[in-house]
Amino acid sequence: SAVISQKPSRDICQRGTSLTIQCQVDSQVTMMFWYRQQPGQSLTLIATANQGSEATYESGFVIDKFPISRPNLTFSTLTVSNMSPEDSSIYLCSVDELAGLRTDTQYFGPGTRLTVL
Amino acid sequence: GENVEQHPSTLSVQEGDSAVIKCTYSDSASNYFPWYKQELGKRPQLIIDIRSNVGEKKDQRIAVTLNKTAKHFSLHITETQPEDSAVYFCAAGFQGAQKLVFGQGTRLTINP
Repeated sequence: SAVISQKPSRDICQRGTSLTIQCQVDSQVTMMFWYRQQPGQSLTLIATANQGSEATYESGFVIDKFPISRPNLTFSTLTVSNMSPEDSSIYLCSVDELAGLRTDTQYFGPGTRLTVL
Repeated sequence: GENVEQHPSTLSVQEGDSAVIKCTYSDSASNYFPWYKQELGKRPQLIIDIRSNVGEKKDQRIAVTLNKTAKHFSLHITETQPEDSAVYFCAAGFQGAQKLVFGQGTRLTINP
């Protein structure tokens, strides 16, 4: 499967600040996805990022709170803005391609564990 | 939109016994159903998936069954081992739609 890395792996932040999470894939992919996993909860899709266009956000998530960049076919960032303790979660990026072929499933990065104090 | 319900939320079985986790989905258009295993502190990893043109799929000790009429699908793990302890998530999606809706997860504990 694709090798996906994320930085940072974890962080502790103060409320009101912002954190940018990086996701790097070892091969070019068309779509990159960002998920949130709140403590003890399931995975919820935040947005889908295409290179060269605005990200598509799911219901309940807005660009002002979670701006996303997709500067090339192997990299994306998610920023969690003006953080509050409710933003404490694991943030995961994912792709749906294997060796250049689209699949129906998601392959996840290792996640970024964010704690907001 | 799609809604996926997963039961039970926790499951404890003796090593060597079988474990069954069940999911129901709401959107009859969904036709792709993966299962993920997430060990503590690790990323979710795909363990098996099934498409709507198939009723059952097996991979060694793991099997998934799908009942399209009733809109439910199940994960079966036989001869459970301690390394099967993890949180398992079901999901539903539509082929080509690039979007998966996940169930709430089942924390499976295998007791030695």
